[in-house]
Order: sequence, then structure tokens, then C-alpha cells
Amino acid sequence: GAVVSQHPSWVICKSGTSVKIECRSLDFQATTMFWYRQFPKQSLMLMATSNEGSKATYEQGVEKDKFLINHASLTLSTLTVTSAHPEDSSFYICSARVAGQSYNEQFFGPGTRLTVL
Amino acid sequence: QKEVEQNSGPLSVPEGAIASLNCTYSDRVSQSFFWYRQYSGKSPELIMSIYSNGDKEDGRFTAQLNKASQYVSLLIRDSQPSDSATYLCAVTGGFKTIFGAGTRLFVKA
Repeated sequence: GAVVSQHPSWVICKSGTSVKIECRSLDFQATTMFWYRQFPKQSLMLMATSNEGSKATYEQGVEKDKFLINHASLTLSTLTVTSAHPEDSSFYICSARVAGQSYNEQFFGPGTRLTVL
Repeated sequence: QKEVEQNSGPLSVPEGAIASLNCTYSDRVSQSFFWYRQYSGKSPELIMSIYSNGDKEDGRFTAQLNKASQYVSLLIRDSQPSDSATYLCAVTGGFKTIFGAGTRLFVKA
């Protein structure tokens, strides 16, 4: 149980294009999903918290117009990197909390490796 | 600012030994505590959760929590080379989860 998938697992794009990453909870409903970014040999950095049916909450320093988050249903959240540039190349990981559970465990997706040329 | 502190390591132990990973946190009202394992190039995987003071054992893993000292640890018995990874401590107080930067563990065969 508590499986989270991400698609795509890796993507290469040209500078200036937009990339959409999907995060799905496969066997549970997730009212809250989180988006993280991790650069090589660095720790996880929380970018935003995504709540189903409402606007995402972005961490300080994360541009909401550049990283668009949509939590359209209890099983799907998407992150769109708009006008991507080489400095956006990173490992993007989503996680989800089980709806209605009080223990606050987060289950992570396998991650999406983005390379912007 | 709420913080979760871990020694970055690397912590190197021989195969079969006990690996001890430590974590301290600053927010006294923290309620939930987690250990995640992250292999290089992969996403974190939840391996232990603990919510009350004392020890919690699951196979070769034991999590220890001391809320008075704001300290949580993870013991790995009979360490194996496959345990070599970065271990992230995570602490939840209220709604937000704060992750430590992780401790790199190397288990030498």
C-alpha cells in the first residue's frame, strides 16, 4: 500500500520550454502532496505544498509563476516548470500523505530527473 | 526557525556491526518522527516511524525517541553493504514536516 508514482521518470528539454510532471497516489487518496527538489549531493528542498481543491503554498524563494502546481483530484498533483532554463535541471520528487491519517507519514514518488539543455 | 540536525557523515562501519544514526530537533511540540533511507539517485523510502518515547523495533532497525532531550536515533543491527545510503531524519509538528540534511552511511564488506 501507499504507492506514489511519478511521470515521467526523466525528461530532457530545450531551454525556454515548459515541462509537466505528474504525481499520482495509486492506492490511497491524498489531500496533501508535497513537491521537493534535490540537487546532486544536497538535501531535499521543499518547494511547495499542494492541497486538493485549493492553491498551493510555496516556500520562500520559490517562484509560483515559474513552478505551477495543480492538485486537481485526491490522487493527482502536477508540477509544471514554465520556461525552463539549465539552472532548473534537478531531481524533482513528490510525496503524499494519506487522507484522514493523523500520523503524517509521507510516501515519496520515484522522482523525475529534469535536464534542461 | 524549526530545525532538524544530523551529522552529515560519512559514517563508516564494518559489515555486521551496529550503525548508530542520530538526530536532534528544535521544536518541542513535534509529534511524529520518521527515518527515511535514500540511495544515490533515488527518492527517499520510509523505513521507520516513531511517535512516543522509547524504542521501536522493526527487523534489524530500532528507532529510539527521547522527547525530553529532543533526540531521535536509528540503530541498524548486523549492518550490510546494502544498507549503504543516506538516512534522513524527519520531524513533524503540526502540519509541516522538516527534514534533516541526512547522514551518509557506508558499510564496508
